[in-house]
Amino acid sequence: QLQVQESGPRLVRPSETLSLTCTVTGASIRRSTNYWGWIRQSPGKGLEWIGSIYYLGSTYYNPSLKSRVTISVETSKNQFSLRLSSVSAADTAVYYCASAPGYSGYDWWDSWGQGTLVTVSS
Amino acid sequence: QSVLTQPPSASGTPGQRVTISCSGSSSNIGSKTVNWYQQLPGTAPKLLIYSNNQRPSGVPDRFSGSKSGTSASLAISGLQSDDEAEYYCGAWDDSLNGPLFGGGTKLTVL
Repeated sequence: QLQVQESGPRLVRPSETLSLTCTVTGASIRRSTNYWGWIRQSPGKGLEWIGSIYYLGSTYYNPSLKSRVTISVETSKNQFSLRLSSVSAADTAVYYCASAPGYSGYDWWDSWGQGTLVTVSS
Repeated sequence: QSVLTQPPSASGTPGQRVTISCSGSSSNIGSKTVNWYQQLPGTAPKLLIYSNNQRPSGVPDRFSGSKSGTSASLAISGLQSDDEAEYYCGAWDDSLNGPLFGGGTKLTVL
């Protein structure tokens, strides 16, 4: 069964870069047709799609974050990563990594990590 | 950015049928399918309904989804205490070129 799990620093200083990694188990990123992505949830608020990457390497980003976001895949480690630059307090949120079946076109997400709270503070 | 519109709260008693609405526009719900997620307290969202009315394996048939025009609904029949959670709708948005989510509805089982 496919599972994903986030890891990375829980505290990031303002103006620095947030970096998170998602480890995939139960499936090979290299051989899967899934989309892999990041979704965040600010405290007490709803869900916000950050971006997605297809197993072939194509990336898709939320226009409101596009200038600051990079999502990449490390197939040798069966991981994918998120980098969000120039963070501010508004980026404080629970960050989820997730997986979507290829035929969903990253419309709906059927596997989620447990989420990791990242706080932006000096 | 705009989100799909959901009522902030809903409630019902055990055994009752409740519905949660989700309103959008022509760039999302009006032209795309709708998905629903259940988020139990302190946990990650779980896919409940996809493509308007499809249930992933393991989701009870007490949960059902429907769509009409630019609105969608999630219905829960035979309400149970375990159903107390936050429910989110989602749909592809052409302006975003990605999934757009609702603000969430907190369901309380009285």
